[in-house]
Amino acid sequence: AQRVTQPEKLLSVFKGAPVELKCNYSYSGSPELFWYVQYSRQRLQLLLRHISRESIKGFTADLNKGETSFHLKKPFAQEEDSAMYYCALVDNYGQNFVFGPGTRLSVLP
Amino acid sequence: DAGVTQSPTHLIKTRGQQVTLRCSPKSGHDTVSWYQQALGQGPQFIFQYYEEEERQRGNFPDRFSGHQFPNYSSELNVNALLLGDSALYLCASSWGPGRANTGELFFGEGSRLTVL
Repeated sequence: AQRVTQPEKLLSVFKGAPVELKCNYSYSGSPELFWYVQYSRQRLQLLLRHISRESIKGFTADLNKGETSFHLKKPFAQEEDSAMYYCALVDNYGQNFVFGPGTRLSVLP
Repeated sequence: DAGVTQSPTHLIKTRGQQVTLRCSPKSGHDTVSWYQQALGQGPQFIFQYYEEEERQRGNFPDRFSGHQFPNYSSELNVNALLLGDSALYLCASSWGPGRANTGELFFGEGSRLTVL
């Protein structure tokens, strides 16, 4: 069964510190992996997708098929990064997104 | 472009009642997906509509049904409401499989349903 786990419900770091939000998945095929973010009083929106191999707002994520992980990283956290982050995978047909439970990132001044 | 719009934003129902939630997709999108997000959980896929048909369904009972109209807007209906149906219901739109699908979902702000 498809499943996404995010072990940390809450992650607090100080401004300027590195941050890593963990994501592990289980899927029998080759999924596409995404990170979605929800800032305070905003709707859920795409942050980045693994297929693009892009860096958005300083965040990167590497797909590790051996460890079935897709951790989100940023070398220097900013206060505006405080938000709820959801890791998600989609099946080959791009129709059924499976979301993890989310990690709330709090960047302290 | 207003993006994805949902109505109503909040509603309260009692057990056994029926509810209808509405969604208008982002301009240019032809596919609508519905998600249920319980408190403290990530969104859970209910079903997806494309070309006015249900294309895929998550692990939800038949009490959850939907519809897509020719203008691509959609409705989610839930019958015989249970206390456990209390949640935020999110609508997301995207391009269907017939077009270059980047896999990105555009979400609405949700309809918060409370069942008493």
